[in-house]
Amino acid sequence: DTEVTQTPKHLVMGMTNKKSLKCEQHMGHRAMYWYKQKAKKPPELMFVYSYEKLSINESVPSRFSPECPNSSLLNLHLHALQPEDSALYLCASSQMRLMGRNTEAFFGQGTRLTVV
Amino acid sequence: EDQVTQSPEALRLQEGESSSLNCSYTVSGLRGLFWYRQDPGKGPEFLFTLYSAGEEKEKERLKATLTKKESFLHITAPKPEDSATYLCAVQAFKTSGSRLTFGEGTQLTVNP
Repeated sequence: DTEVTQTPKHLVMGMTNKKSLKCEQHMGHRAMYWYKQKAKKPPELMFVYSYEKLSINESVPSRFSPECPNSSLLNLHLHALQPEDSALYLCASSQMRLMGRNTEAFFGQGTRLTVV
Repeated sequence: EDQVTQSPEALRLQEGESSSLNCSYTVSGLRGLFWYRQDPGKGPEFLFTLYSAGEEKEKERLKATLTKKESFLHITAPKPEDSATYLCAVQAFKTSGSRLTFGEGTQLTVNP
């Protein structure tokens, strides 16, 4: 099973709302990622969790707040977003190997976020 | 700085017309090169990982190859269901093993 499950599939939120995106995997992967993807562009890395600890934050604005409650779950808390934050938000996971050679990342189907 | 350039940006083929997509990369020490397929509005689907020059991987109508400067994704006798955007990504030794650098992708359309 190489499935990464993201909920919800679609989300419309106002600029004053607080919402959360959820991601779950049961492959035993210890690296989990959040990516943002705009139309006709490649995914852009936002955050990486390694062994449930935040290891990479790509200078993402504080209105995006990641959380990794356990090795299977990853959340992205959203607050006071802007219309330009509308995008496809992708979660991914990969196995961690020795010497940092992580295996391929498996992606979820994404959450289509629209900020109005 | 790691760079990945994919060409062409878009490719239209007739069903059965074989072709290749290119991924040129500049990294200071390649850990791995990855190919993904992405359908509109969906997440990328993993296809192949290549680690060293000379390596080849195959899956159905797709074959990926790797040299020291580029990778090719060969599509043999494509079908309309192969239409998608194909993304190439690299992982470099000098950066965190978790960071992927993606190319802009090649949008493939296969007409029946």
